[in-house]
Amino acid sequence: DSGVTQTPKHLITATGQRVTLRCSPRSGDLSVYWYQQSLDQGLQFLIQYYNGEERAKGNILERFSAQQFPDLHSELNLSSLELGDSALYFCASSVQGGRDSYEQYFGPGTRLTVT
Amino acid sequence: ELKVEQNPLFLSMQEGKNYTIYCNYSTTSDRLYWYRQDPGKSLESLFVLLSNGAVKQEGRLMASLDTKARLSTLHITAAVHDLSATYFCAVDPGNQFYFGTGTSLTVIP
Repeated sequence: DSGVTQTPKHLITATGQRVTLRCSPRSGDLSVYWYQQSLDQGLQFLIQYYNGEERAKGNILERFSAQQFPDLHSELNLSSLELGDSALYFCASSVQGGRDSYEQYFGPGTRLTVT
Repeated sequence: ELKVEQNPLFLSMQEGKNYTIYCNYSTTSDRLYWYRQDPGKSLESLFVLLSNGAVKQEGRLMASLDTKARLSTLHITAAVHDLSATYFCAVDPGNQFYFGTGTSLTVIP
């Protein structure tokens, strides 16, 4: 158990809908990262937050957005869902962000199925 | 675009044998990460390599980093069935993480 929690574990929804994935980092970790894993595109970095502020952005679609709250939990919002958004979404946390970040601890993931 | 290539993509090896997984990347990065993923599970951090020439070992796994060649290796010694998993390398050239395609390892008794 990495200490990173993600909810829900599974999510099934229809195209065009909007969902919110939630992540709680390990106690004391200030940085949260979001990743998408699919068979087509492998593991892709989406976005990173550090202590409430966006730190880095990767291959995140405009239909997706994220935020980190004062209690350091983070939410990833996916809207206007398409079949191709079906994937496993991981959250990870680390003590610091940027070049000082070393090891990341991954949550169990949320499996999103869009029908 | 930054590329992180692993080879082989699939590896089937017998217990007791040695093998090496290679990770090549296309941009300057002085840190490299190795992760393990079991089927249907999350990623588990194996090694963090922070400088040229870094070598780390844990059990039957040893990872090394050559930043000049932009190459990392994950060497498996005397493989056992429990090592069957998918192994990913990732680089961090600056605030982003780029993952390799993964190497699916199956250790056959």
